[in-house]
Amino acid sequence: DTAVSQTPKYLVTQMGNDKSIKCEQNLGHDTMYWYKQDSKKFLKIMFSYNNKELIINETVPNRFSPKSPDKAHLNLHINSLELGDSAVYFCASSQDWVNTGELFFGEGSRLTVL
Amino acid sequence: AQSVSQHNHHVILSEAASLELGCNYSYGGTVNLFWYVQYPGQHLQLLLKYFSGDPLVKGIKGFEAEFIKSKFSFNLRKPSVQWSDTAEYFCAVNYKAAGNKLTFGGGTRVLVKP
Repeated sequence: DTAVSQTPKYLVTQMGNDKSIKCEQNLGHDTMYWYKQDSKKFLKIMFSYNNKELIINETVPNRFSPKSPDKAHLNLHINSLELGDSAVYFCASSQDWVNTGELFFGEGSRLTVL
Repeated sequence: AQSVSQHNHHVILSEAASLELGCNYSYGGTVNLFWYVQYPGQHLQLLLKYFSGDPLVKGIKGFEAEFIKSKFSFNLRKPSVQWSDTAEYFCAVNYKAAGNKLTFGGGTRVLVKP
């Protein structure tokens, strides 16, 4: 039973399209994250939600909009996709915002923009 | 700005060799320290973590890491690697003043030749 699951795993699309990636965690955690891993494997945080409230919003274009309908879900919607958006997007969760810092990651969603 | 550096981008070694991966972080007050591993095609998994106490921490699969506060370092070691240790290894730091936000190093790709 996967703890943090993301869909889709692979996404190939044209520039200018809009796409969404969904994430669900069944760990009962309060906090969820989106990280972007670029072609050089460098991981950078994009967003974090704690109990459905946005708490981290790094320097990310407005075309990226996270949505958390409940604390078990954090979706990522991307408008007007650009070539530079090609990356692997990882969802993660942690027990809460304050404490351990230990994150549990999903398997990643590889986005390719043509 | 908070940053994490991993000195080696690629490491190639033979089975039974010893492994040491360097990780240094910039000063930012109290930190929690982590090493994550990403096996080919899989999600990131926690190898070990340091919060406080004994600076030598042991993780899964025979890995250990040593926190040296004066050097702002958290190097990962394994005395004898196996082919199955082929993976990407990421050092990560949680600067507690910044909340539960992990800052990752750029990763070290380790290839163990059988």
